[in-house]
Amino acid sequence: DGGITQSPKYLFRKEGQNVTLSCEQNLNHDAMYWYRQDPGQGLRLIYYSQIVNDFQKGDIAEGYSVSREKKESFPLTVTSAQKNPTAFYLCASRDERGAGYTFGSGTRLTVV
Amino acid sequence: AQSVTQPDIHITVSEGASLELRCNYSYGATPYLFWYVQSPGQGLQLLLKYFSGDTLVQGIKGFEAEFKRSQSSFNLRKPSVHWSDAAEYFCAVGPLTGGGNKLTFGTGTQLKVEL
Repeated sequence: DGGITQSPKYLFRKEGQNVTLSCEQNLNHDAMYWYRQDPGQGLRLIYYSQIVNDFQKGDIAEGYSVSREKKESFPLTVTSAQKNPTAFYLCASRDERGAGYTFGSGTRLTVV
Repeated sequence: AQSVTQPDIHITVSEGASLELRCNYSYGATPYLFWYVQSPGQGLQLLLKYFSGDTLVQGIKGFEAEFKRSQSSFNLRKPSVHWSDAAEYFCAVGPLTGGGNKLTFGTGTQLKVEL
Protein backbone atom coordinates (compact mmCIF):
# COMPACT_ATOMS: atom_id res chain seq x y z
CA ASP A 1 0.00 0.00 0.00
CA GLY A 2 1.19 3.49 -0.79
CA GLY A 3 1.80 5.86 2.03
CA ILE A 4 4.19 7.89 4.12
CA THR A 5 6.48 6.36 6.71
CA GLN A 6 7.91 8.44 9.50
CA SER A 7 10.58 7.14 11.84
CA PRO A 8 11.24 6.87 14.63
CA LYS A 9 7.87 7.17 16.33
CA TYR A 10 9.52 8.49 19.50
CA LEU A 11 12.81 10.37 19.71
CA PHE A 12 14.70 11.83 22.62
CA ARG A 13 17.20 14.62 22.22
CA LYS A 14 19.80 15.83 24.64
CA GLU A 15 20.62 19.48 24.96
CA GLY A 16 22.94 20.67 22.18
CA GLN A 17 22.35 17.64 20.02
CA ASN A 18 21.18 17.51 16.42
CA VAL A 19 18.62 14.86 15.52
CA THR A 20 17.17 13.79 12.19
CA LEU A 21 13.61 12.70 11.58
CA SER A 22 12.98 10.43 8.63
CA CYS A 23 10.12 10.76 6.13
CA GLU A 24 9.74 8.38 3.21
CA GLN A 25 6.87 8.18 0.71
CA ASN A 26 6.04 5.72 -2.05
CA LEU A 27 3.16 7.71 -3.50
CA ASN A 28 5.25 9.28 -6.27
CA HIS A 29 4.26 12.72 -4.99
CA ASP A 30 6.41 15.68 -5.94
CA ALA A 31 5.55 17.94 -3.01
CA MET A 32 6.46 17.15 0.59
CA TYR A 33 5.98 19.11 3.81
CA TRP A 34 7.06 19.17 7.42
CA TYR A 35 4.72 20.48 10.10
CA ARG A 36 5.16 20.94 13.80
CA GLN A 37 2.21 20.38 16.11
CA ASP A 38 1.94 21.79 19.61
CA PRO A 39 -1.15 21.55 21.83
CA GLY A 40 -3.64 24.29 21.04
CA GLN A 41 -1.61 25.68 18.14
CA GLY A 42 -2.64 23.51 15.26
CA LEU A 43 -0.06 22.65 12.61
CA ARG A 44 2.68 25.08 11.69
CA LEU A 45 4.72 24.71 8.51
CA ILE A 46 8.47 24.25 8.95
CA TYR A 47 9.75 23.49 5.43
CA TYR A 48 8.35 22.27 2.16
CA SER A 49 9.71 20.96 -1.10
CA GLN A 50 7.96 20.94 -4.44
CA ILE A 51 10.64 19.10 -6.35
CA VAL A 52 13.88 17.22 -5.82
CA ASN A 53 16.86 19.39 -4.86
CA ASP A 54 14.65 22.34 -4.01
CA PHE A 55 12.98 23.36 -0.76
CA GLN A 56 11.51 26.46 0.84
CA LYS A 57 11.21 27.79 4.35
CA GLY A 58 7.84 27.75 5.99
CA ASP A 59 6.60 29.87 8.86
CA ILE A 60 8.87 28.49 11.59
CA ALA A 61 12.06 27.31 9.84
CA GLU A 62 14.55 28.67 12.38
CA GLY A 63 16.52 25.89 14.03
CA TYR A 64 15.57 23.31 11.40
CA SER A 65 17.13 22.08 8.18
CA VAL A 66 16.01 19.73 5.40
CA SER A 67 17.28 18.04 2.27
CA ARG A 68 15.55 16.59 -0.79
CA GLU A 69 18.02 14.43 -2.64
CA LYS A 70 15.43 11.87 -3.68
CA LYS A 71 11.79 12.20 -4.58
CA GLU A 72 10.85 9.64 -1.96
CA SER A 73 12.71 11.14 0.97
CA PHE A 74 12.49 14.43 2.88
CA PRO A 75 14.41 14.21 6.18
CA LEU A 76 14.16 16.95 8.79
CA THR A 77 17.07 17.82 11.08
CA VAL A 78 16.31 19.55 14.34
CA THR A 79 19.47 21.44 15.21
CA SER A 80 20.77 22.64 18.54
CA ALA A 81 19.67 26.13 17.49
CA GLN A 82 16.03 25.11 17.97
CA LYS A 83 15.51 26.11 21.58
CA ASN A 84 12.14 24.47 22.11
CA PRO A 85 12.07 21.33 19.98
CA THR A 86 9.72 19.22 22.08
CA ALA A 87 6.71 18.68 19.82
CA PHE A 88 4.93 16.28 17.49
CA TYR A 89 6.30 16.41 13.95
CA LEU A 90 4.23 15.48 10.94
CA CYS A 91 5.39 14.85 7.40
CA ALA A 92 3.00 15.09 4.48
CA SER A 93 2.98 14.83 0.71
CA ARG A 94 0.63 16.10 -1.97
CA ASP A 95 0.10 15.05 -5.57
CA GLU A 96 -0.13 17.40 -8.53
CA ARG A 97 -3.88 16.98 -8.76
CA GLY A 98 -4.24 18.67 -5.40
CA ALA A 99 -6.18 15.87 -3.79
CA GLY A 100 -5.15 16.99 -0.36
CA TYR A 101 -2.25 15.98 1.80
CA THR A 102 -1.37 12.46 2.84
CA PHE A 103 0.15 12.46 6.31
CA GLY A 104 2.58 10.16 8.05
CA SER A 105 1.88 8.92 11.56
CA GLY A 106 4.24 11.42 13.15
CA THR A 107 7.35 11.53 15.34
CA ARG A 108 7.19 12.74 18.91
CA LEU A 109 10.42 14.49 19.86
CA THR A 110 11.24 15.13 23.50
CA VAL A 111 14.20 17.00 24.94
CA VAL A 112 15.75 15.25 27.92
CA ALA B 1 -2.58 36.04 4.02
CA GLN B 2 -4.71 32.97 4.48
CA SER B 3 -6.01 31.94 7.88
CA VAL B 4 -8.43 29.52 9.48
CA THR B 5 -10.40 29.97 12.67
CA GLN B 6 -11.96 27.13 14.59
CA PRO B 7 -13.74 28.94 17.41
CA ASP B 8 -14.52 25.87 19.51
CA ILE B 9 -11.52 24.36 21.26
CA HIS B 10 -13.51 21.59 22.92
CA ILE B 11 -16.95 20.17 22.16
CA THR B 12 -18.78 17.43 24.06
CA VAL B 13 -21.77 15.63 22.58
CA SER B 14 -23.74 12.57 23.56
CA GLU B 15 -23.54 9.49 21.40
CA GLY B 16 -26.32 9.59 18.82
CA ALA B 17 -26.63 13.36 18.92
CA SER B 18 -25.90 15.58 15.94
CA LEU B 19 -22.63 17.43 15.57
CA GLU B 20 -21.51 20.64 13.95
CA LEU B 21 -17.93 21.87 14.07
CA ARG B 22 -17.34 25.42 12.93
CA CYS B 23 -14.66 26.67 10.57
CA ASN B 24 -14.18 30.18 9.24
CA TYR B 25 -11.47 31.04 6.76
CA SER B 26 -9.80 34.04 5.22
CA TYR B 27 -8.46 33.61 1.73
CA GLY B 28 -7.93 35.99 -1.17
CA ALA B 29 -8.91 33.69 -4.00
CA THR B 30 -11.11 30.67 -4.52
CA PRO B 31 -10.30 28.50 -1.54
CA TYR B 32 -9.55 24.82 -1.48
CA LEU B 33 -10.98 23.61 1.84
CA PHE B 34 -10.37 20.47 3.85
CA TRP B 35 -11.39 18.74 7.03
CA TYR B 36 -9.00 16.31 8.70
CA VAL B 37 -9.36 14.09 11.76
CA GLN B 38 -6.58 13.07 14.14
CA SER B 39 -6.62 10.33 16.75
CA PRO B 40 -4.17 10.69 19.67
CA GLY B 41 -0.56 10.15 18.66
CA GLN B 42 -1.48 9.62 15.02
CA GLY B 43 -1.26 11.50 11.75
CA LEU B 44 -4.13 13.31 10.11
CA GLN B 45 -6.73 11.56 7.97
CA LEU B 46 -8.64 13.40 5.27
CA LEU B 47 -12.41 13.46 5.90
CA LEU B 48 -13.49 15.57 2.94
CA LYS B 49 -12.50 18.41 0.64
CA TYR B 50 -14.10 21.15 -1.44
CA PHE B 51 -12.92 23.39 -4.26
CA SER B 52 -15.86 23.79 -6.62
CA GLY B 53 -19.31 22.53 -7.52
CA ASP B 54 -21.98 21.48 -5.07
CA THR B 55 -21.44 23.38 -1.85
CA LEU B 56 -22.50 20.40 0.27
CA VAL B 57 -19.79 17.77 0.19
CA GLN B 58 -19.89 14.27 1.55
CA GLY B 59 -16.94 12.63 3.18
CA ILE B 60 -15.95 9.44 4.89
CA LYS B 61 -17.40 8.11 8.14
CA GLY B 62 -20.75 9.81 7.51
CA PHE B 63 -19.42 13.37 7.71
CA GLU B 64 -20.48 16.23 5.47
CA ALA B 65 -19.54 19.89 5.19
CA GLU B 66 -21.19 22.91 3.65
CA PHE B 67 -19.29 25.71 1.96
CA LYS B 68 -20.85 29.13 2.43
CA ARG B 69 -18.92 31.77 0.53
CA SER B 70 -20.94 34.67 1.94
CA GLN B 71 -20.04 33.65 5.47
CA SER B 72 -16.51 32.40 4.68
CA SER B 73 -17.43 29.21 6.47
CA PHE B 74 -16.96 25.50 5.93
CA ASN B 75 -18.69 23.79 8.84
CA LEU B 76 -18.47 20.06 9.41
CA ARG B 77 -21.58 18.11 10.36
CA LYS B 78 -22.65 14.61 11.28
CA PRO B 79 -26.27 13.62 11.95
CA SER B 80 -25.51 11.01 14.62
CA VAL B 81 -22.20 10.81 16.44
CA HIS B 82 -20.59 7.51 17.39
CA TRP B 83 -18.23 7.04 20.33
CA SER B 84 -15.44 6.27 17.83
CA ASP B 85 -15.72 9.82 16.46
CA ALA B 86 -13.96 11.18 19.54
CA ALA B 87 -10.80 12.80 18.14
CA GLU B 88 -9.39 16.16 17.15
CA TYR B 89 -10.66 17.79 13.99
CA PHE B 90 -8.78 20.27 11.84
CA CYS B 91 -10.02 22.57 9.13
CA ALA B 92 -7.53 23.72 6.48
CA VAL B 93 -7.44 26.11 3.52
CA GLY B 94 -5.06 26.46 0.60
CA PRO B 95 -4.68 27.02 -3.11
CA LEU B 96 -5.72 24.44 -5.66
CA THR B 97 -2.37 25.01 -7.36
CA GLY B 98 0.54 27.37 -6.93
CA GLY B 99 1.87 29.04 -3.80
CA GLY B 100 3.69 25.86 -2.92
CA ASN B 101 0.29 24.24 -2.44
CA LYS B 102 0.69 25.11 1.20
CA LEU B 103 -2.21 24.43 3.50
CA THR B 104 -2.98 26.58 6.51
CA PHE B 105 -4.60 24.75 9.41
CA GLY B 106 -6.87 25.89 12.18
CA THR B 107 -5.98 25.20 15.80
CA GLY B 108 -8.32 22.23 15.97
CA THR B 109 -11.48 21.22 17.83
CA GLN B 110 -11.29 18.39 20.34
CA LEU B 111 -14.44 16.28 20.25
CA LYS B 112 -15.49 14.26 23.27
CA VAL B 113 -18.38 11.81 22.99
CA GLU B 114 -20.35 10.89 26.08
CA LEU B 115 -21.90 7.44 26.17
